Amino acid sequence: QVQLQESGPGVVKPSQTLSLTCTVSGGSISSSGYYWSWIRQHPGKGPEWIGYIYYTGSTHYNPSLKSRVTISVDTTQNQFSLNLSSVTAADTAVYYCAREGTRSSGWSTWGQGTLVTVSS
Amino acid sequence: IQMTQSPLSLSASVGDRVTITCRASESISSYLHWYQQKPGKAPKLLIYSASSLQSGVPSRFSGSGSRTDFTLTISSLQPEDFATYFCQQSYTLPRTFGGGTKVEIE
Repeated sequence: QVQLQESGPGVVKPSQTLSLTCTVSGGSISSSGYYWSWIRQHPGKGPEWIGYIYYTGSTHYNPSLKSRVTISVDTTQNQFSLNLSSVTAADTAVYYCAREGTRSSGWSTWGQGTLVTVSS
Repeated sequence: IQMTQSPLSLSASVGDRVTITCRASESISSYLHWYQQKPGKAPKLLIYSASSLQSGVPSRFSGSGSRTDFTLTISSLQPEDFATYFCQQSYTLPRTFGGGTKVEIE
């Protein structure tokens, strides 16, 4: 059974870059047909999709964040990562990584989530 | 695509039948999924493709609808069902979610 685990700093200073890594266990990130997403959720709000990556390195980002987001994959480490630059307090949220199969299948596998606070 | 859920919250009792609605701002065919989220936990997939029950999810959960209007029904509310429910479309990018419906104990 595939499991996902987010890791990274819990506090980031304003204007700096938020960096998180998602480690995949119980399966290969290089399995065809799966897209690896980053999703965030502000307190009391619905989740917000940030973007996804395929194991080949192909990416798609939410236009609302596109200018600040980079998602990368390391197939040798079975990990994918999120970089969000020039953060502000509005980027304080719980960040999740998740796996999507076909677009008919939804996100059936999620990490536990990690709270990132932007504060000086 | 904007996803609008209603109601924002509801109060119900154990055993009640509960219905939550999700409306898409344009047609999304059946690319609609429902999630349950409890405090401090990641969302859990309940229903995919509008009406397919995810493996391991109790049969009291069901989904229906297509194009722009969708419904999640809990046929007999159980204590563990008190949570927040989200719809999400995967018809197009960016993927988008509804704002959520909080189901509370009456």
